[in-house]
This record gives sequence, structure tokens and C-alpha cells, in this order.
Amino acid sequence: DAGITQSPRYKITETGRQVTLMCHQTWSHSYMFWYRQDLGHGLRLIYYSAAADITDKGEVPDGYVVSRSKTENFPLTLESATRSQTSVYFCASSSDSYEQYFGPGTRLTVT
Amino acid sequence: AQKVTQAQTEISVVEKEDVTLDCVYETRDTTYYLFWYKQPPSGELVFLIRRNSFDEQNEISGRYSWNFQKSTSSFNFTITASQVVDSAVYFCALSEGYNNNDMRFGAGTRLTVKP
Repeated sequence: DAGITQSPRYKITETGRQVTLMCHQTWSHSYMFWYRQDLGHGLRLIYYSAAADITDKGEVPDGYVVSRSKTENFPLTLESATRSQTSVYFCASSSDSYEQYFGPGTRLTVT
Repeated sequence: AQKVTQAQTEISVVEKEDVTLDCVYETRDTTYYLFWYKQPPSGELVFLIRRNSFDEQNEISGRYSWNFQKSTSSFNFTITASQVVDSAVYFCALSEGYNNNDMRFGAGTRLTVKP
């Protein structure tokens, strides 16, 4: 049972490049989320999705784009990466039971 | 918007000591959910507990216990007889209303348990 996976686990990219972080869950959870984790800030919500083709902004959406064409996938794209987007990114999913289950994280470095 | 404060940035204890991690929250909603997550050194986030605003009963799970007090807007977490494996960053989180679409996390408390 794979649960929720993220790829890549580590990524180094240059300023201005586009990069996509992948998230896949096998539970058929309705809800999926993207967070970034930065020291001193805990986790902050970037985008979430309540179902396929339904997405909405979270606390810090600027510079990010998401899509959800299939229930199980929720990719996060940085259209033009900036150094301030260097962070650890976590994907999470949830059924209607309110607990969110997190993937292992992607450590992104923008040089 | 809702807010969660974990005033303790780092705590260090010796094994077998009891330790309490503080969590204070702010919300204008009467319906909300509170959570604790653990992030061990390996980096993953592990769900520990969820509490809704209508249930102020304290909860105990093995060495872990949670004290929810609406009067002080606090949801504190106590580890009894701490162990080295408890070393982790612990996050308190809050979501308002009847859904969890906008969960706000505190900054986390790093707990180090020394042998």
C-alpha cells in the first residue's frame, strides 16, 4: 500500500526555470493539499483541491500553479522559480475525516 | 484568520522526564478542529490526534495525553516518561469550520530527549 508519494524527493533548479513537483495518492481521497515548510513558519498551505478539477488558493499561493485532472494526482508547478521558493514541500491528502496524511516531502533548492 | 502559537521553540529533557508542549490558538469560529502532528528526524509528518471544539474531554494514549481548554484557548500535549524516540518537531494545527481546507500550523516545537 503506497499511500501518498512525492517525486522527486530532492530537486535543485535555477532561478527562472519551471519545475513541477508530483504528488500521487492511492487512497482515493477527495482532498489534496500542498504545503511548504520553512524554518520558523511551520507549514503553510499553498493550494488545495476538494476534488478533481476543483482547486483553490491557500495562504501562500503566489508563484505556484496546480491542477488536478485525476483524483489521485495533484502536481504543483513553479512557473518561474525564485530563491524564496527554496523550501521543503509536502503534499497531503484527506477523506472527509479531517485528518490529513502527508507525503515524505520534496526538498527544493533554487539557485 | 485563525492562528496557532507554539511559544516553545526548543525543549530539551532527559529521558524519563515528563514534558508538556504548549499550543495556544485564536479563532472566531465556534466550530473548529485542533491537531497535533509529529515530525521525527526522518522528516515525515505523523498525525497524532484530532479534537473538535465541542469535545473538551482530555485524551490519553499510552504515554501521550492532551489537555484541551477552551477557556484559555489552549491544546497542550504532554509526554509522560519521555524516551529518546520522542525526539522530534511537534506541530499544533487548527482548522476552522466544518472542513479542513485551511489548516493553519504553529511554528513547531523541537523536542530533544537525551539518554
